[in-house]
Amino acid sequence: EIVLTQSPATLSVSPGERATLSCRASQSVSSNLAWYQQKLGQAPRLLIYGASTRATGIPARFYGSGSGTEFILTISSLQSEDYAVYYCQQYVDWPPYTFGQGTKLEIK
Amino acid sequence: EVQLVESGGGLVQPGRSLRLSCAASGFSFDYYAMHWVRQAPGKGLEWVSGISLNNGKIGYADSVKGRFTISRDNAKNSLYLQMNSLRPEDTALYYCARDTGFYDLWGRGTLVTVSS
Repeated sequence: EIVLTQSPATLSVSPGERATLSCRASQSVSSNLAWYQQKLGQAPRLLIYGASTRATGIPARFYGSGSGTEFILTISSLQSEDYAVYYCQQYVDWPPYTFGQGTKLEIK
Repeated sequence: EVQLVESGGGLVQPGRSLRLSCAASGFSFDYYAMHWVRQAPGKGLEWVSGISLNNGKIGYADSVKGRFTISRDNAKNSLYLQMNSLRPEDTALYYCARDTGFYDLWGRGTLVTVSS
C-alpha cells in the first residue's frame, strides 16, 4: 500500500500571502496524484489532478507541482475562501487508493 | 444536473447491518468505476471500497473486508454498500465518488453511527 504523508499538519498563513503544502509518497506514483479541498460540513472538492492540472473552475492561484514521490500544492495570494483542509490522493491503482492525512490551512 | 446522492445512513447497534445507496444522475453511470470513501468525525478521508464499471474488479479496505459488500445496478444508476457486523469504529460520513482515476464527483454523504 502506498502511504502518503502530508506536511505540515496545520499551516497558519495570512490573507494575501502564499501557502505551500507538501505531500510525500512512500513509493513513486508518477503523476497520479490529486489534491482536494474540504471545507467544514462539505464534501471534498477536486482541485488538481495529474499532479499539476487544475480541475474545471479552479482558480489559477492554485498550483500543483511534482512527480514521483514529492508533490507540492501552492496557493498564491490566499483568499478567505481558501481556508480549509487539503488532502492529497494517489490513484496509481486500487485497491486501495490512498489519501494523505490532510493539512489544515488556517488564518494567521 | 450531474450529481450523486447517498442515502441509507442512520443509527445502528454494534453487530447489526445497514445498506447504503448512492443514486447517480446527469451522466452515463455505466461508464465509470465507483467508490465509497468514509470520514470518521474529525478525521481524514479513508477509501472503503470500489467497483469497476462492469463488476469485473471489486476491492475493499482491510478494515472492512469480509463485512462490507459493494454492488451496483447500472440499469438503476445506483451504487450500494451492504455493511454487516458493524462496529463503533465504522461510525463515519460515507461518501460515494465517481472514479476518473481521481474523484471528480462526490455526493454529500450519508452518516452512519454505530452505537448501543
